[in-house]
Amino acid sequence: NAGVMQNPRHLVRRRGQEARLRCSPMKGHSHVYWYRQLPEEGLKFMVYLQKENIIDESGMPKERFSAEFPKEGPSILRIQQVVRGDSAAYFCASSPNSAGTEAFFGQGTRLTVV
Amino acid sequence: QKEVEQNSGPLSVPEGAIASLNCTYSDRVSQSFFWYRQYSGKSPELIMSIYSNGDKEDGRFTAQLNKASQYVSLLIRDSQPSDSATYLCAVNTGAGAQKLVFGQGTRLTINP
Repeated sequence: NAGVMQNPRHLVRRRGQEARLRCSPMKGHSHVYWYRQLPEEGLKFMVYLQKENIIDESGMPKERFSAEFPKEGPSILRIQQVVRGDSAAYFCASSPNSAGTEAFFGQGTRLTVV
Repeated sequence: QKEVEQNSGPLSVPEGAIASLNCTYSDRVSQSFFWYRQYSGKSPELIMSIYSNGDKEDGRFTAQLNKASQYVSLLIRDSQPSDSATYLCAVNTGAGAQKLVFGQGTRLTINP
């Protein structure tokens, strides 16, 4: 959905570098979700955030990955010291509230680690 | 057992026929169910949501939900080649957890 903006669309990083992925939710949406899709695999939940709060990070790898959704600005997914296995499409979705309502996805960031 | 299961396909259907996509889920407290369509290299696009037992129709699409059987399906009538995509079933697991759990997706091909 064009309303959820992710950037960059494509990101190439060398092993050991940091990757920063940005997501601006649809207007009026205060709930942001990050998902990862490995090649030929399904979407896997990573983290659910509201403004200034991490609500559920049960899908986040224990190391190197972090996420934030500050009071001002986009949500950021940060991957430190990237490895080849981090190469994937990272999608952000937003919804207006948490009551099981529809979530709309951005175009994704395709991360390639070389 | 996976939380959300779909047949990975590929499922081939002739143009104009009905395509039937199925999904089962394991968490009985799930409350919200969604179907997304994903073209190759693109992002998932929400096409249907369903919250209560029965059928919900939207154009050529019908979603069916049976909570007792923990089963949700998507029917696509008058299938078109443009319907060829991967269809993802997603379940909001409820019980305070607001994340969507996705199935592996079913790859659908509509043959002209």
